Amino acid sequence: AQSVAQPEDQVNVAEGNPLTVKCTYSVSGNPYLFWYVQYPNRGLQFLLKYITGDNLVKGSYGFEAEFNKSQTSFHLKKPSALVSDSALYFCAVRGNTGKLIFGQGTTLQVKP
Amino acid sequence: KAGVTQTPRYLIKTRGQQVTLSCSPISGHRSVSWYQQTPGQGLQFLFEYFSETQRNKGNFPGRFSGRQFSNSRSEMNVSTLELGDSALYLCASSLGLAKDYEQYFGPGTRLTVT
Repeated sequence: AQSVAQPEDQVNVAEGNPLTVKCTYSVSGNPYLFWYVQYPNRGLQFLLKYITGDNLVKGSYGFEAEFNKSQTSFHLKKPSALVSDSALYFCAVRGNTGKLIFGQGTTLQVKP
Repeated sequence: KAGVTQTPRYLIKTRGQQVTLSCSPISGHRSVSWYQQTPGQGLQFLFEYFSETQRNKGNFPGRFSGRQFSNSRSEMNVSTLELGDSALYLCASSLGLAKDYEQYFGPGTRLTVT
């Protein structure tokens, strides 16, 4: 069965510091991995995806993610956090079933 | 291009009633998926439609149903509403069924069941 785990309910970081939001997955077949962000009272916005190739994927708003096959992880990173990055972040995986399965979400709080 | 639109944005219904939610995908997108978002269960996949056919289904009771029209617009219906159906219902569209296609989400319909 497919599953995604985001082990941290909340991540707190100071503005200007690097941030990491963790994600691990379990899937049959090759994983297709995605990160989305949700701002209050809004739908989800696509940030980036990993399909194949380079393990470091660059996305929107300066975010990037590192795919690690041996650790079945796909952590979201940003070198320098902004207060405006504060939001709810979702990791998602799609495997053989074709269904897009989401993690529980991680709230990112960036403090000035 | 216009994004995914969902109507209505807010809805209040009474237990036992039924409700229909509507979704218009991004122009050119042929796949539409529906998700239920609640604080307790997070984001859960309901179903996915492509070319007017349900291609994938989540673990929801038969009270939840959907359909897709020839113009790719989609509706979902929930019959015999229960209090637990209160949630944000999100629609997402993508170019097709290929696994590497990202989905684009609408703003959601907030359903409250009293």
